[in-house]
Amino acid sequence: QSALTQPASVSGSPGQSITISCTGTSSDVGGYNYVSWYQQHPGKAPKLMIYEVSNRPSGVPDRFSGSKSGNTASLTISGLQAEDEADYYCSSYTSSSRVFGTGTKVTVL
Amino acid sequence: EVQLVESGGGLIQPGGSLRLSCAASGFTVSSNYMSWVRQAPGKGLEWVSVIYSGGSTYYADSVKGRFTISRDNSKNTLYLQMNSLRAEDTAVYYCAREPNALITQDVWGQGTTVTVSS
Repeated sequence: QSALTQPASVSGSPGQSITISCTGTSSDVGGYNYVSWYQQHPGKAPKLMIYEVSNRPSGVPDRFSGSKSGNTASLTISGLQAEDEADYYCSSYTSSSRVFGTGTKVTVL
Repeated sequence: EVQLVESGGGLIQPGGSLRLSCAASGFTVSSNYMSWVRQAPGKGLEWVSVIYSGGSTYYADSVKGRFTISRDNSKNTLYLQMNSLRAEDTAVYYCAREPNALITQDVWGQGTTVTVSS
């Protein structure tokens, strides 16, 4: 149950697009379409942003999109806004358990 | 309104036990998968355990044999019994709902803090 690998930090200017990667193995990310992405602001509970690789829950802006290729999933934020500054975590199903990513701090310059 | 409220956290000595509760409102705990996720101070999220609607339970290797997840259908409440606590169990513990067949945590509680220290 090793954590999925994410870049420690990603930054961008308002209006730009950024992409966060999430690399696992064929036993987790690559083996199932159960990849989710969560946004967490300091001191707050995580918020679901993407589920099943690319689906957005109701209320999540369409600036957020997800994809997957092989053992790597990605979250793209288009038209970056100040309120998008937060920590982002991916997660995946893996043989009856779940595993989270190491987390990425997104900074809006 | 769909809501989860955790309680039961606190300061406990190494080797001690603690039971966390997660009271649900606006939906039925037993009809969903329910997970516990923790976050150590300044660290990332770590999945801890899940209970399926059918009653099957699964655990992270780091807590297997020490933690037990359960639910009380009459109280619509999820529990996490934590025994043989270690310093590395210090974290904010969140409960979360996993809608059946989605394998994702769509509703989260506010978290309860567990500190294991002498």
